[in-house]
Amino acid sequence: GQNIDQPTEMTATEGAIVQINCTYQTSGFNGLFWYQQHAGEAPTFLSYNVLDGLEEKGRFSSFLSRSKGYSYLLLKELQMKDSASYLCAVRPSGGYQKVTFGTGTKLQVIP
Amino acid sequence: GAGVSQSPSNKVTEKGKDVELRCDPISGHTALYWYRQSLGQGLEFLIYFQGNSAPDKSGLPSDRFSAERTGGSVSTLTIQRTQQEDSAVYLCASSIFGRGLAGLANTGELFFGEGSRLTVL
Repeated sequence: GQNIDQPTEMTATEGAIVQINCTYQTSGFNGLFWYQQHAGEAPTFLSYNVLDGLEEKGRFSSFLSRSKGYSYLLLKELQMKDSASYLCAVRPSGGYQKVTFGTGTKLQVIP
Repeated sequence: GAGVSQSPSNKVTEKGKDVELRCDPISGHTALYWYRQSLGQGLEFLIYFQGNSAPDKSGLPSDRFSAERTGGSVSTLTIQRTQQEDSAVYLCASSIFGRGLAGLANTGELFFGEGSRLTVL
């Protein structure tokens, strides 16, 4: 099975940097996704990590440590529009493609 | 179509009625997923299709829930004898994993539809 943990809520200031952590326990691992979901909207893809290390994409970066079962999403130069839920999701190894999502972290950006 | 299409976008029904939700995935996507999201909650996995077969139905909450996929494309999620606790947004997503037509590996990211909001009175 898979168990994914994220903080429920976070608050950060506009212009600052925030790190959202995700820990997971899986019977097999073949990639971790981060998605952004604004209230009332569908989740949209942010990043994918399958190897250890940092993946940078503009203001967003995602880090993975497979040995520790740990990932984080780093958001720089926060903007008000970054207020959303951030979902961590894990895909198992093998041909079996079930993708399991964590409960999400609701980020509020304040002026 | 260009994206994942779901219908209806909103459905209000009376307790005890059956409902059918439809998902039209991105053309060529072999994997199709159904998730349920209650207000303020995360995504609850319901079922996953690879082609027309469903390797994992473990997330279906009860035997009132069923899903099928035909022609490796459109999928329907059926909820029989709806209950108030079935009220939620039902999200469909599709993905392709492995080597695409160009021979390049891809992430197999899930592309989500806008969801079907079900309200059971």
